[in-house]
Amino acid sequence: QQPVQSPQAVILREGEDAVINCSSSKALYSVHWYRQKHGEAPVFLMILLKGGEQKGHEKISASFNEKKQQSSLYLTASQLSYSGTYFCGTENLRNSGYSTLTFGKGTMLLVSP
Amino acid sequence: DGGITQSPKYLFRKEGQNVTLSCEQNLNHDAMYWYRQDPGQGLRLIYYSQIVNDFQKGDIAEGYSVSREKKESFPLTVTSAQKNPTAFYLCASMSKGRLGGYTFGSGTRLTVV
Repeated sequence: QQPVQSPQAVILREGEDAVINCSSSKALYSVHWYRQKHGEAPVFLMILLKGGEQKGHEKISASFNEKKQQSSLYLTASQLSYSGTYFCGTENLRNSGYSTLTFGKGTMLLVSP
Repeated sequence: DGGITQSPKYLFRKEGQNVTLSCEQNLNHDAMYWYRQDPGQGLRLIYYSQIVNDFQKGDIAEGYSVSREKKESFPLTVTSAQKNPTAFYLCASMSKGRLGGYTFGSGTRLTVV
């Protein structure tokens, strides 16, 4: 089942902050975050493993609450280069015994000057 | 530099035709994946493979087929049974350690004419 991302879209001015949420109805092994620019491939930002830890990447960080099956991506002091669509991917174990990522529908972020 | 190469970048298919999308990686990754992306839908898993000569159906495998004869290669065939094949197709790979997330190819945009 697809994780639910919110909001669907965000418009920011340069320097403002944003939070993107991702929630799942299934137990999670990990959560991945990716950013995709228009017409390009998604680029990996970070992975959050079980343990509720917070990870950081430049001015972008994320948290993972495994009990609530939720993750949040925090973008602080946004830059023009942050514009794009952000996807969370939740790692789930399949009947095959292997795990794969199920992606949310994405959150479109537009940062304006 | 290591990466994933998808070809062709654009592909046009006539009704009733089978077409094959190429995906090659030189990252020495074991796991490879095919996702389909439609506007507003996120990425949906078609097929995945964790080892050579073995692959599993994802969430939307009907009308598609794959092979994994070599570790580096994971081609996807879109058959005439796929009724709505127009989409952006992304191939991805991941190492066993998974901390580096998925590496995506640049994608193939398939259009039915």
